[in-house]
Amino acid sequence: NAGVTQTPKFQVLKTGQSMTLQCAQDMNHNSMYWYRQDPGMGLRLIYYSASEGTTDKGEVPNGYNVSRLNKREFSLRLESAAPSQTSVYFCASSSGQGLYEQYFGPGTRLTVT
Amino acid sequence: QKEVEQNSGPLSVPEGAIASLNCTYSDRVSQSFFWYRQYSGKSPELIMSIYSNGDKEDGRFTAQLNKASQYVSLLIRDSQPSDSATYLCAVRNSGGYQKVTFGTGTKLQVIP
Repeated sequence: NAGVTQTPKFQVLKTGQSMTLQCAQDMNHNSMYWYRQDPGMGLRLIYYSASEGTTDKGEVPNGYNVSRLNKREFSLRLESAAPSQTSVYFCASSSGQGLYEQYFGPGTRLTVT
Repeated sequence: QKEVEQNSGPLSVPEGAIASLNCTYSDRVSQSFFWYRQYSGKSPELIMSIYSNGDKEDGRFTAQLNKASQYVSLLIRDSQPSDSATYLCAVRNSGGYQKVTFGTGTKLQVIP
């Protein structure tokens, strides 16, 4: 039982390049989330998926797209990376019921030069 | 006003003491409250959740919720150096999409 996994762990991109961050969970959770964490800003929600087949914008969606591939997998795509997207990205999942506790993956540290 | 506010710290306590971490929130109809621990360079780890007024204890940790005053706190008894981390307060709001808002965290240092 791995919980929430993310790939890659580290990535360096040049401005304008694209990439996809992968996230998978094995807890049979309905809801999945993408956050970014920047110093002094806390965790900010980029996109979320309340259930398979649905996705919605969070607080800071500009420059990102997402795909809920199936119940297990939720990917985040940067189409044209910008230095402002340098951050640590966390994927999280939640059962979508009860207290809605979220469980986080290990994160991806992204640097855009 | 920030939705979830925490003192950034650092909060320094000696080993064996009680560490008290506080958090206030602005949405009066918030429904669930969480404390996460985040070690440097690691991801947030859920340590406590609470949804009703009063205290909830789990080992050395006690979460306290006061909805009338809109604050939630975390007490860590018998603090250990391994408790040194940043503690994030998170609040699930009344929005229909399970929105959880995180504070920026309080850094705790436990001095041996």
